[in-house]
Amino acid sequence: GQNIDQPTEMTATEGAIVQINCTYQTSGFNGLFWYQQHAGEAPTFLSYNVLDGLEEKGRFSSFLSRSKGYSYLLLKELQMKDSASYLCAAMDSNYQLIWGAGTKLIIKP
Amino acid sequence: SAVISQKPSRDICQRGTSLTIQCQVDSQVTMMFWYRQQPGQSLTLIATANQGSEATYESGFVIDKFPISRPNLTFSTLTVSNMSPEDSSIYLCSVAPGQGFSYEQYFGPGTRLTVT
Repeated sequence: GQNIDQPTEMTATEGAIVQINCTYQTSGFNGLFWYQQHAGEAPTFLSYNVLDGLEEKGRFSSFLSRSKGYSYLLLKELQMKDSASYLCAAMDSNYQLIWGAGTKLIIKP
Repeated sequence: SAVISQKPSRDICQRGTSLTIQCQVDSQVTMMFWYRQQPGQSLTLIATANQGSEATYESGFVIDKFPISRPNLTFSTLTVSNMSPEDSSIYLCSVAPGQGFSYEQYFGPGTRLTVT
């Protein structure tokens, strides 16, 4: 079957760096997405990886290893506003998104 | 990008009734999706709303329970029929306006439904 695994919750300190991991198993693969969702709000797009390697976008970077079925989202210089859930989603061969349950990130001062 | 609005933003409904949720996009899009999100959980795709044809439903969701309309490329409705407390959830519509395979999705603000 198809499956996405990511930690349920993580805690980090303001100004620090945190890495949120995601492993996936899908029927075929057409890319890996990361979304941010603040409590009570809709998800917003953060990144898309389809090739191996690291994609950097400001304080946020996303990494993909297709051979390992693995991705991570790296957040640097954490700010209080980064407290949110981070959703990993893999696109299968039918271009359907398979969503993870999300990682709730708590930032402490 | 795309700007999406949903109505209503929230509602409290009685068991056995139906609620229709509207989704309006500020540009024409081919791909439009309806999701459900239980509190603290991830997104579950209900169906893909196709313009000019019937919606494509995911396993566990049927047209009689969740009828969908897609009269044009900027608008869709989802009806939650014969509601029960188990239907209490956040319902989100999303669109994928991009070309090619990087189907970045944009989400509406959601409709928070409580069934009593």
